[in-house]
Amino acid sequence: KAGVTQTPRYLIKTRGQQVTLSCSPISGHRSVSWYQQTPGQGLQFLFEYFSETQRNKGNFPGRFSGRQFSNSRSEMNVSTLELGDSALYLCASSIGTSGRTPIGQTFGAGTRLSVL
Amino acid sequence: GESVGLHLPTLSVQEGDNSIINCAYSNSASDYFIWYKQESGKGPQFIIDIRSNMDKRQGQRVTVLLNKTVKHLSLQIAATQPGDSAVYFCAEGSISSGSARQLTFGSGTQLTVLP
Repeated sequence: KAGVTQTPRYLIKTRGQQVTLSCSPISGHRSVSWYQQTPGQGLQFLFEYFSETQRNKGNFPGRFSGRQFSNSRSEMNVSTLELGDSALYLCASSIGTSGRTPIGQTFGAGTRLSVL
Repeated sequence: GESVGLHLPTLSVQEGDNSIINCAYSNSASDYFIWYKQESGKGPQFIIDIRSNMDKRQGQRVTVLLNKTVKHLSLQIAATQPGDSAVYFCAEGSISSGSARQLTFGSGTQLTVLP
């Protein structure tokens, strides 16, 4: 069974640019969550998508956005990149059925974004 | 806001010894807790979880203890092996938050297993 796949693994961008990251969840998983990981702030929740709808959102500025497609694949976009956006962006998928805990949340290897 | 934190940023143990990683949380409404292991260059890997109505749960070589009175969580690893060297995170979630998929993570503990 394939795991969570994130592409690309590494990205280098400059300030002001925008970037799109992709996440393919485990087959059958309908929930996709995104997290930002930095040495200073640790792992922080960005947002979660379920059945193409954003179901929950963390405390990040509007420059961070996402979407989910009908096949549950998700993309995350960051516009007007800042130096502080340099981080490991992690995607996690789970079955996502209402009422069930996220015990089955599985993380991908992440996309390492460097903003110069 | 609510936070989940770890007592120690680093922990070194001898191979074969038992390891104990601690975590303090402040959100009394947390419904469940999860321990993750993250190796260099990889995403967090699920280790074990525990619901708030439990105080102990055992897995393969790992045990999680939950003390709701003092809002403390611990992960015990028996017979620690070199492959256990990694950063360990505790995370908490509340089903009442509207989405069971939002986790709040602690800052992590670096476990180093010495030969």
